[in-house]
Parts: sequence; structure tokens; C-alpha cells
Amino acid sequence: AIRMTQSPSSFSASTGDRVTITCRASQGISSYLAWYQQKPGKAPKLLIYAASTLQSGVPSRFSGSGSGTDFTLTISCLQSEDFATYYCQQYYSSITFGQGTRLEIK
Amino acid sequence: EVQLVESGGGLVKPGGSLRLSCAASGFTFSSYSMNWVRQAPGKGLEWVSSISSSSSYIYYADSVKGRFTISRDNAKNSLYLQMNSLRAEDTAVYYCARVSGGDYVYFDYWGQGTLVTVSS
Repeated sequence: AIRMTQSPSSFSASTGDRVTITCRASQGISSYLAWYQQKPGKAPKLLIYAASTLQSGVPSRFSGSGSGTDFTLTISCLQSEDFATYYCQQYYSSITFGQGTRLEIK
Repeated sequence: EVQLVESGGGLVKPGGSLRLSCAASGFTFSSYSMNWVRQAPGKGLEWVSSISSSSSYIYYADSVKGRFTISRDNAKNSLYLQMNSLRAEDTAVYYCARVSGGDYVYFDYWGQGTLVTVSS
């Protein structure tokens, strides 16, 4: 099974900051990667698919990049509503999620 | 508006059974593959099972294979998960999720989840 490893597992940042979350696959997955945002007590929300395609309705401050084994999610200017947990998911072979990255307010 | 509403969760003893349902509306249910994804308390997301639009293709995570059965009724716009031989480690919020489309299995809509607790 393909393992997805996110880093960091958690970190704190301030409103207005630019932040980057990394997701590494245990083997190449081309661009078959999605990113989700989850807030406490809520279902995940799709942000990005195909590694870099922004889902309709998602603010343009979110962006994704990468292919093969290394991927990043970048939030260009943090807003208060962005403090949440973020998950990557590969769909190259079966489906696996990363362990999550919790983004907290500094 | 796309809506997915899960039901059927609750408290069950180890070894017991439970059937989850997911009622879909706001889209042509019969055209989309559907999945179940779960999340143990305080933990990350774990894919559970997948079913294609016509039920031709069904897949399970190794952790539930042989114990869980996914099914759907396109006439009723409903997705199901029959869970047997439940274990404590099956305790989680179970989400139904719609596959965005085509062959690429990422999830564009999720239900609100239903909590399954396996405990004696």
C-alpha cells in the first residue's frame, strides 16, 4: 500500500502568513493527489485535486504543486477561517490519506 | 444542492452488526461512484470501501474486508454499509463521500457523518 506522510504534523502561524504543508508518497503517484480541509466536528472539504487544480469555489490563496512523490499545499495569506486540519490523499493505487497537518493560531 | 445524509450509527457490542445508510439528493446518484470513509476519534481519515455507479466494481480496505459489505440502491438514491463482526477499532465517524467523476477517486461531496461506537 502507498503510504502518505505529511509534514509537519502540526504548527502554528499568524493571520497573513504564507504557509506550506508537505506531503510525500512512498512511491510515485504521478499527479493523483487531492488536498482536503477539515474543521472540528465537520466533514472534510475538497480544496485541490490532480495535485494543482483548485476545486470550484475554493479561494485562490490556496495552491498545490508537485508530482511523483513530493507535493505541497500553500496558503498564500492565512485568513482566520483557514485554521483547520489538512489532509492529502492519493488515488493512484487504491486510496490512502496522509495523517493530517493541524494548523493552529499563533 | 448536493446533499448526503448518513444514518444508522450508534452503540453496538463487539461482535455485533450495524447497517449504515446514506441518502443522496441534488444530483444523479446513479451516475457516480460512492465511498465510505471513516475517522476514529481524534485520528485521521481512513478509506473503507468503494462502489461504482452500477455496483460492478466494489473494493474494501484490508481492515474491513470480509466483515463489511457496501451496496447501493440507485432507485432509492441510497448507499449502504453493512458492518458485521464489529471490533473496538471500528469505532469512528463514518462518512459517505461522492467521487468527483470519471476514473479519478477523489471526493467532492461528503455527508456530515454518523458515529459508530463499538463497546461492551
